[in-house]
Amino acid sequence: KQEVTQIPAALSVPEGENLVLNCSFTDSAIYNLQWFRQDPGKGLTSLLLIQSSQREQTSGRLNASLDKSSGRSTLYIAASQPGDSATYLCAAASGNTPLVFGKGTRLSVIA
Amino acid sequence: DTAVSQTPKYLVTQMGNDKSIKCEQNLGHDTMYWYKQDSKKFLKIMFSYNNKELIINETVPNRFSPKSPDKAHLNLHINSLELGDSAVYFCASSGAGGTEHFGPGTRLTVT
Repeated sequence: KQEVTQIPAALSVPEGENLVLNCSFTDSAIYNLQWFRQDPGKGLTSLLLIQSSQREQTSGRLNASLDKSSGRSTLYIAASQPGDSATYLCAAASGNTPLVFGKGTRLSVIA
Repeated sequence: DTAVSQTPKYLVTQMGNDKSIKCEQNLGHDTMYWYKQDSKKFLKIMFSYNNKELIINETVPNRFSPKSPDKAHLNLHINSLELGDSAVYFCASSGAGGTEHFGPGTRLTVT
């Protein structure tokens, strides 16, 4: 059964820093891995989706990598801004099963 | 235009009542989901429907009954509400690309 773990649970950084959020999954036979952002009291916004055949995806200041063999994914945020403050969730999809979510990393970017 | 919409956004009700949450997506996706986010912010899949057919039921009490009148709608009916049902419920949909799009969530409070 797939399990997804995210480290750290919370992170506080000053504005302008580059940072990395980590995600690990136990079953490497994934279909894709997705990163989401959740603002307090709001729904989830999809940030990046990496298919199992891909190694990374980029969108603006965000870069997500995928290493299936080690069961790891990272989300890199460049030049962080206070508006990046949110909870970031990674989720793994295996075949036809729905997403299995990690518990998220709560990010605070301090101006 | 809202891609995935849910109503109501907030729902406060007493134990023992029956309530429904509605979900609609205008993305033309074949697959829809219901997730529950508990007080610790952990997101867990409840149901998955593909083209109006149930494909995933993740050990959810049978007090929860999803209904899909057509491909664009997946409603969640809950009978005999209990205190432990208090949570945020998210509807989502996905198409061939695999990215899941989430609704804004429905915060259910059972008193």
